Amino acid sequence: EPEVTQTPSHQVTQMGQEVILRCVPISNHLYFYWYRQILGQKVEFLVSFYNNEISEKSEIFDDQFSVERPDGSNFTLKIRSTKLEDSAMYFCASTPDAISEQFFGPGTRLTVL
Amino acid sequence: AQSVTQPDIHITVSEGASLELRCNYSYGATPYLFWYVQSPGQGLQLLLKYFSGDTLVQGIKGFEAEFKRSQSSFNLRKPSVHWSDAAEYFCAVGEMTSGTYKYIFGTGTRLKVLA
Repeated sequence: EPEVTQTPSHQVTQMGQEVILRCVPISNHLYFYWYRQILGQKVEFLVSFYNNEISEKSEIFDDQFSVERPDGSNFTLKIRSTKLEDSAMYFCASTPDAISEQFFGPGTRLTVL
Repeated sequence: AQSVTQPDIHITVSEGASLELRCNYSYGATPYLFWYVQSPGQGLQLLLKYFSGDTLVQGIKGFEAEFKRSQSSFNLRKPSVHWSDAAEYFCAVGEMTSGTYKYIFGTGTRLKVLA
């Protein structure tokens, strides 16, 4: 069964460094999403992406964040200058259309020291 | 703003007992509702979803949920819990925005199963 994959599974970085979290959505999916889950808290929406542009972004998704679909298979989340509070599990999700359920990847745990 | 409330942070049940996890939502239109399960260190797995139609929906692993519009609820049930069901369960509502849905999650209910 096709699935969303994410790399790395765990990323440790120093505060102020740039990180890129990578996702490979399911191949025929067209809508892509990033969510994050701070330890012990609920999952929060960050951004949705369709047709090579952001559809919607949350208040969390400030200028330090960016997303890109650099090729036909990858979907990336970049954090330009990480802060301690960016430490969280980041989930990528994808759907084939606007209304189907979102398929989530296993997540990347980001630890900012 | 839309919201999802899961009033029980922790629930402990004995293996073989029945289970009901509560979920209440706030949404103006007909909601798209979901239950996801997260095992320790794992991602989110969809258990079931409600889009429309029959208000009792069946999911994987023997779970079911009932949509009750009058109560704004979408409670998850299982008649007989297995030890492997120990995990965290998230209820979510899909909010239509800019042509697609973003999910608003509840705070989760952590299920512990006693042998």
